Amino acid sequence: DARVTQTPRDKVTEMGQEVTMRCQPILGHNTVFWYRQTMKQGLELLAYFRNRAPLDDSGMPKDRFSAEMPDATLATLKIQPSEPRDSAVYFCASGLVLGTSGRAYNEQFFGPGTRLTVL
Amino acid sequence: GDSVTQMEGPVTLSEEAFLTINCTYTATGYPSLFWYVQYPGEGLQLLLKATKADDKGSNKGFEATYRKETTSFHLEKGSVQVSDSAVYFCALRNSGYSTLTFGKGTMLLVSP
Repeated sequence: DARVTQTPRDKVTEMGQEVTMRCQPILGHNTVFWYRQTMKQGLELLAYFRNRAPLDDSGMPKDRFSAEMPDATLATLKIQPSEPRDSAVYFCASGLVLGTSGRAYNEQFFGPGTRLTVL
Repeated sequence: GDSVTQMEGPVTLSEEAFLTINCTYTATGYPSLFWYVQYPGEGLQLLLKATKADDKGSNKGFEATYRKETTSFHLEKGSVQVSDSAVYFCALRNSGYSTLTFGKGTMLLVSP
């Protein structure tokens, strides 16, 4: 049963510390999305990658957030330094997009999320 | 830009009651429409989808019809169960794009 996995599931840290969240997309998927979920803002798209290249990170605060895909099986989202307002659940999702037009081929599959609390 | 508006929750129902969760959208072009469900402590799962006007998506007793004239995609179920308690998200994907635009979610609470 193919699933998106995320680690850690829960993270509590102090303001100013670096936080790294990891995601393993479903094997064979070429598109990875990072979302943030808060009660106030709901689900926000932070960034997404296709074939490991960043396509859009306009939803991400650039001064402290960074997202990378070191290889096809790992995506990372890093916050440095972390702030209390970063407290949220961070979801990774993966999907398969085919063709030069970027027409989506299948749904986005979500991981279980990382619940981040910054004190 | 694209946007999705859902009715605010929580929606509180007794088991076997009829469910409607309203969803309307604003989009340029011809979007595909989706309902996702999030159970406590889990990620989102696709519940159903519709890709063109008048299409009806259905799954697990839930249904939604793509209404272009009213730009709506309301979720319905004839008889809810306690196990349907979750947060439901309406979303759209505009043609030619792979990103989703989500509504804020509607919490459903079903009591025995």
